[in-house]
Amino acid sequence: DVKVTQSSRYLVKRTGEKVFLECVQDMDHENMFWYRQDPGLGLRLIYFSYDVKMKEKGDIPEGYSVSREKKERFSLILESASTNQTSMYLCASSLSQRDQFFGPGTRLTVL
Amino acid sequence: GENVEQHPSTLSVQEGDSAVIKCTYSDSASNYFPWYKQELGKRPQLIIDIRSNVGEKKDQRIAVTLNKTAKHFSLHITETQPEDSAVYFCAASNQAGTALIFGKGTTLSVSS
Repeated sequence: DVKVTQSSRYLVKRTGEKVFLECVQDMDHENMFWYRQDPGLGLRLIYFSYDVKMKEKGDIPEGYSVSREKKERFSLILESASTNQTSMYLCASSLSQRDQFFGPGTRLTVL
Repeated sequence: GENVEQHPSTLSVQEGDSAVIKCTYSDSASNYFPWYKQELGKRPQLIIDIRSNVGEKKDQRIAVTLNKTAKHFSLHITETQPEDSAVYFCAASNQAGTALIFGKGTTLSVSS
């Protein structure tokens, strides 16, 4: 069974803080993704990576950056958290041209 | 840009009825169309998918149809049960085949 884990289920941060969300997968998938999920807006792609040290912007990259130093780990970074980044963040991984496996999500609240 | 529209946003049915969720996509290069189910408080999970060389695929009570000419695809659930209640997302592969574009989701409620 593919396992995708995220470092925290719940996180509370203050405006202006630097926030790190980490995702790890154990199936040697080359592709990894970060989404945010908000009510009525579905799953919106922030960034994705198709190889180590490679990254591509998704639909809403502003205010975020990512890091992929190892194949199994993909980190999402909020350089200076703002209240409008309060959301559920979902990580996913996949083999090329295949379905994506999601992590359990991190609910981030920025005060 | 690439876009996936999903309708309806909410759907309420009686147990035993059928449910249909429809999606349209904008990029004719899309060739992979998965459907995900997300139960309350849980992660999205794949329930069925279809590729562009196939018009229909069925797995027990769920089926997906694809009309590439019209750029439509649909999820059909027959004999609905309360445990089918969830949010359903359709998705289409992007032009490069490197990512999925998701619809906004349909909240399905099945009442007994």
